[in-house]
Amino acid sequence: EPEVTQTPSHQVTQMGQEVILRCVPISNHLYFYWYRQILGQKVEFLVSFYNNEISEKSEIFDDQFSVERPDGSNFTLKIRSTKLEDSAMYFCASSEDRVREKLFFGSGTQLSVL
Amino acid sequence: GESVGLHLPTLSVQEGDNSIINCAYSNSASDYFIWYKQESGKGPQFIIDIRSNMDKRQGQRVTVLLNKTVKHLSLQIAATQPGDSAVYFCAEISLPNAGGTSYGKLTFGQGTILTVHP
Repeated sequence: EPEVTQTPSHQVTQMGQEVILRCVPISNHLYFYWYRQILGQKVEFLVSFYNNEISEKSEIFDDQFSVERPDGSNFTLKIRSTKLEDSAMYFCASSEDRVREKLFFGSGTQLSVL
Repeated sequence: GESVGLHLPTLSVQEGDNSIINCAYSNSASDYFIWYKQESGKGPQFIIDIRSNMDKRQGQRVTVLLNKTVKHLSLQIAATQPGDSAVYFCAEISLPNAGGTSYGKLTFGQGTILTVHP
Protein backbone atom coordinates (compact mmCIF):
# COMPACT_ATOMS: atom_id res chain seq x y z
CA GLU A 1 0.00 0.00 0.00
CA PRO A 2 1.42 3.42 -0.90
CA GLU A 3 2.35 5.61 2.03
CA VAL A 4 3.59 9.03 2.94
CA THR A 5 7.15 8.95 4.20
CA GLN A 6 8.81 11.53 6.44
CA THR A 7 12.41 12.13 7.38
CA PRO A 8 13.94 12.39 9.85
CA SER A 9 11.81 10.63 12.43
CA HIS A 10 13.43 12.71 15.16
CA GLN A 11 15.10 16.10 14.95
CA VAL A 12 16.80 17.89 17.81
CA THR A 13 17.84 21.50 17.31
CA GLN A 14 18.93 24.53 19.23
CA MET A 15 16.60 27.47 19.61
CA GLY A 16 17.12 29.94 16.79
CA GLN A 17 18.36 27.35 14.32
CA GLU A 18 16.71 26.54 11.02
CA VAL A 19 15.22 23.11 10.43
CA ILE A 20 13.84 21.45 7.33
CA LEU A 21 11.40 18.60 7.65
CA ARG A 22 11.05 16.41 4.63
CA CYS A 23 8.17 14.45 3.21
CA VAL A 24 7.52 12.28 0.19
CA PRO A 25 3.77 12.26 -0.47
CA ILE A 26 1.96 9.46 -2.25
CA SER A 27 2.97 9.68 -5.89
CA ASN A 28 -0.39 10.35 -7.56
CA HIS A 29 -1.60 12.79 -4.92
CA LEU A 30 -1.86 16.46 -5.76
CA TYR A 31 -2.68 18.09 -2.43
CA PHE A 32 -0.20 18.27 0.38
CA TYR A 33 -0.47 19.33 3.98
CA TRP A 34 1.45 19.86 7.15
CA TYR A 35 -0.10 19.35 10.55
CA ARG A 36 1.47 19.37 13.97
CA GLN A 37 0.68 17.83 17.32
CA ILE A 38 2.07 19.21 20.52
CA LEU A 39 2.37 16.47 23.13
CA GLY A 40 -1.03 15.68 24.62
CA GLN A 41 -2.87 18.13 22.42
CA LYS A 42 -4.94 18.05 19.26
CA VAL A 43 -3.59 17.60 15.79
CA GLU A 44 -3.53 21.12 14.32
CA PHE A 45 -3.62 22.20 10.71
CA LEU A 46 -0.68 24.29 9.53
CA VAL A 47 -0.83 24.63 5.77
CA SER A 48 -2.14 23.13 2.55
CA PHE A 49 -0.33 23.23 -0.78
CA TYR A 50 -1.50 22.67 -4.32
CA ASN A 51 -0.13 23.48 -7.75
CA ASN A 52 3.09 24.82 -6.25
CA GLU A 53 1.48 27.35 -4.02
CA ILE A 54 -0.05 27.61 -0.59
CA SER A 55 -3.81 27.09 -0.69
CA GLU A 56 -4.57 27.80 2.92
CA LYS A 57 -2.67 28.37 6.14
CA SER A 58 -3.52 28.64 9.78
CA GLU A 59 -2.59 31.33 12.27
CA ILE A 60 0.22 29.09 13.48
CA PHE A 61 1.89 29.24 10.08
CA ASP A 62 3.58 32.60 10.47
CA ASP A 63 6.55 34.11 8.65
CA GLN A 64 8.94 31.68 10.32
CA PHE A 65 7.39 28.83 8.37
CA SER A 66 7.64 28.07 4.68
CA VAL A 67 6.86 25.12 2.45
CA GLU A 68 8.33 24.04 -0.81
CA ARG A 69 8.04 21.31 -3.37
CA PRO A 70 11.58 21.43 -4.76
CA ASP A 71 11.08 18.54 -7.17
CA GLY A 72 8.42 16.11 -8.29
CA SER A 73 8.51 13.99 -5.18
CA ASN A 74 9.53 15.95 -2.08
CA PHE A 75 7.53 18.37 0.04
CA THR A 76 9.35 20.27 2.75
CA LEU A 77 8.51 22.38 5.77
CA LYS A 78 11.12 24.90 6.85
CA ILE A 79 11.19 26.67 10.18
CA ARG A 80 13.66 29.55 9.91
CA SER A 81 14.37 30.35 13.53
CA THR A 82 13.02 27.70 15.83
CA LYS A 83 11.45 28.54 19.17
CA LEU A 84 10.94 26.31 22.17
CA GLU A 85 7.21 26.23 21.47
CA ASP A 86 7.84 24.75 18.03
CA SER A 87 8.62 21.45 19.71
CA ALA A 88 5.98 19.05 18.44
CA MET A 89 5.31 16.11 16.18
CA TYR A 90 4.97 17.34 12.62
CA PHE A 91 2.86 15.30 10.25
CA CYS A 92 2.88 15.52 6.50
CA ALA A 93 -0.22 14.39 4.66
CA SER A 94 -1.44 14.13 1.11
CA SER A 95 -4.70 13.54 -0.68
CA GLU A 96 -5.94 12.88 -4.18
CA ASP A 97 -8.45 15.68 -4.22
CA ARG A 98 -9.35 18.85 -2.43
CA VAL A 99 -11.99 17.31 -0.21
CA ARG A 100 -9.82 16.44 2.70
CA GLU A 101 -11.75 13.76 4.42
CA LYS A 102 -9.33 11.12 3.18
CA LEU A 103 -5.93 12.38 4.09
CA PHE A 104 -3.04 9.96 4.24
CA PHE A 105 -0.60 10.87 6.98
CA GLY A 106 3.05 10.07 7.40
CA SER A 107 4.50 8.78 10.65
CA GLY A 108 5.69 12.20 11.64
CA THR A 109 8.89 13.99 12.61
CA GLN A 110 9.35 14.63 16.31
CA LEU A 111 10.99 18.05 16.59
CA SER A 112 12.64 18.97 19.86
CA VAL A 113 13.88 22.53 20.28
CA LEU A 114 16.32 22.99 23.13
CA GLY B 1 -16.26 29.19 16.86
CA GLU B 2 -15.43 25.73 15.64
CA SER B 3 -14.58 23.06 18.14
CA VAL B 4 -14.65 19.31 18.21
CA GLY B 5 -14.27 17.59 21.54
CA LEU B 6 -14.49 14.17 23.13
CA HIS B 7 -16.50 13.14 26.18
CA LEU B 8 -14.10 10.44 27.44
CA PRO B 9 -10.36 10.74 27.28
CA THR B 10 -9.75 7.02 28.02
CA LEU B 11 -11.65 3.81 27.41
CA SER B 12 -10.65 0.33 28.53
CA VAL B 13 -12.43 -2.73 27.22
CA GLN B 14 -11.98 -6.49 27.16
CA GLU B 15 -11.14 -8.23 23.94
CA GLY B 16 -14.32 -9.22 22.14
CA ASP B 17 -16.43 -6.48 23.68
CA ASN B 18 -17.92 -3.68 21.64
CA SER B 19 -16.42 -0.22 22.06
CA ILE B 20 -18.14 3.11 21.71
CA ILE B 21 -16.14 6.30 21.42
CA ASN B 22 -18.00 9.58 21.56
CA CYS B 23 -17.42 13.05 20.23
CA ALA B 24 -19.24 16.37 20.48
CA TYR B 25 -18.93 19.08 17.90
CA SER B 26 -20.11 22.66 17.72
CA ASN B 27 -19.88 23.63 14.05
CA SER B 28 -23.27 22.80 12.58
CA ALA B 29 -21.98 23.84 9.13
CA SER B 30 -19.54 20.92 8.91
CA ASP B 31 -19.98 18.77 5.80
CA TYR B 32 -18.09 15.67 6.81
CA PHE B 33 -17.15 13.99 10.03
CA ILE B 34 -14.25 11.63 10.14
CA TRP B 35 -12.69 9.19 12.55
CA TYR B 36 -8.95 8.66 12.63
CA LYS B 37 -6.93 6.06 14.49
CA GLN B 38 -3.44 6.85 15.70
CA GLU B 39 -1.21 4.04 16.87
CA SER B 40 1.90 4.70 18.86
CA GLY B 41 4.66 6.15 16.69
CA LYS B 42 2.45 6.52 13.65
CA GLY B 43 0.42 9.22 12.00
CA PRO B 44 -3.38 9.35 12.05
CA GLN B 45 -4.99 6.72 9.87
CA PHE B 46 -8.37 7.26 8.24
CA ILE B 47 -11.02 4.86 9.53
CA ILE B 48 -14.40 6.02 8.31
CA ASP B 49 -16.25 9.18 7.44
CA ILE B 50 -19.85 10.29 7.27
CA ARG B 51 -21.52 13.09 5.38
CA SER B 52 -23.57 15.54 7.33
CA ASN B 53 -26.74 14.45 5.50
CA MET B 54 -26.43 10.91 6.85
CA ASP B 55 -27.01 9.54 10.33
CA LYS B 56 -25.28 6.19 10.11
CA ARG B 57 -22.54 4.56 8.11
CA GLN B 58 -21.05 1.13 8.48
CA GLY B 59 -17.63 -0.18 7.62
CA GLN B 60 -15.78 -3.33 8.46
CA ARG B 61 -16.40 -3.82 12.22
CA VAL B 62 -16.95 -0.08 12.62
CA THR B 63 -20.07 2.03 12.58
CA VAL B 64 -20.27 5.80 12.80
CA LEU B 65 -23.40 7.46 14.06
CA LEU B 66 -24.20 11.12 13.63
CA ASN B 67 -26.84 12.91 15.66
CA LYS B 68 -27.10 16.43 14.34
CA THR B 69 -29.82 17.38 16.76
CA VAL B 70 -27.42 17.18 19.68
CA LYS B 71 -24.24 17.59 17.62
CA HIS B 72 -22.90 14.23 18.63
CA LEU B 73 -20.74 11.73 16.75
CA SER B 74 -19.84 8.22 17.84
CA LEU B 75 -17.63 5.41 16.63
CA GLN B 76 -18.66 1.87 17.43
CA ILE B 77 -16.12 -0.91 17.11
CA ALA B 78 -17.51 -4.43 17.13
CA ALA B 79 -15.63 -7.33 18.70
CA THR B 80 -12.75 -5.12 19.76
CA GLN B 81 -9.31 -6.63 19.34
CA PRO B 82 -5.97 -5.81 20.97
CA GLY B 83 -4.87 -4.36 17.64
CA ASP B 84 -7.59 -1.74 18.01
CA SER B 85 -5.71 -0.19 20.94
CA ALA B 86 -4.85 3.33 19.85
CA VAL B 87 -5.87 6.96 20.16
CA TYR B 88 -9.03 7.74 18.24
CA PHE B 89 -9.68 11.23 16.94
CA CYS B 90 -12.84 12.66 15.54
CA ALA B 91 -12.49 15.45 13.03
CA GLU B 92 -14.76 17.64 11.04
CA ILE B 93 -14.45 19.35 7.72
CA SER B 94 -16.27 22.01 5.80
CA LEU B 95 -16.10 21.62 2.03
CA PRO B 96 -14.39 24.21 -0.15
CA ASN B 97 -16.45 27.14 -1.28
CA ALA B 98 -18.08 26.33 -4.60
CA GLY B 99 -16.00 27.74 -7.42
CA GLY B 100 -13.48 29.32 -5.11
CA THR B 101 -9.96 28.51 -4.07
CA SER B 102 -10.75 28.20 -0.41
CA TYR B 103 -10.17 24.69 0.87
CA GLY B 104 -12.10 22.93 3.51
CA LYS B 105 -10.41 22.96 6.90
CA LEU B 106 -9.93 19.72 8.82
CA THR B 107 -10.35 20.28 12.54
CA PHE B 108 -9.39 17.51 14.94
CA GLY B 109 -10.80 16.72 18.35
CA GLN B 110 -8.76 15.97 21.44
CA GLY B 111 -8.54 12.19 21.15
CA THR B 112 -9.66 9.15 23.17
CA ILE B 113 -7.23 6.48 24.27
CA LEU B 114 -8.70 3.02 23.69
CA THR B 115 -7.04 0.15 25.52
CA VAL B 116 -8.11 -3.40 24.75
CA HIS B 117 -7.22 -6.03 27.33
CA PRO B 118 -6.74 -9.65 26.18
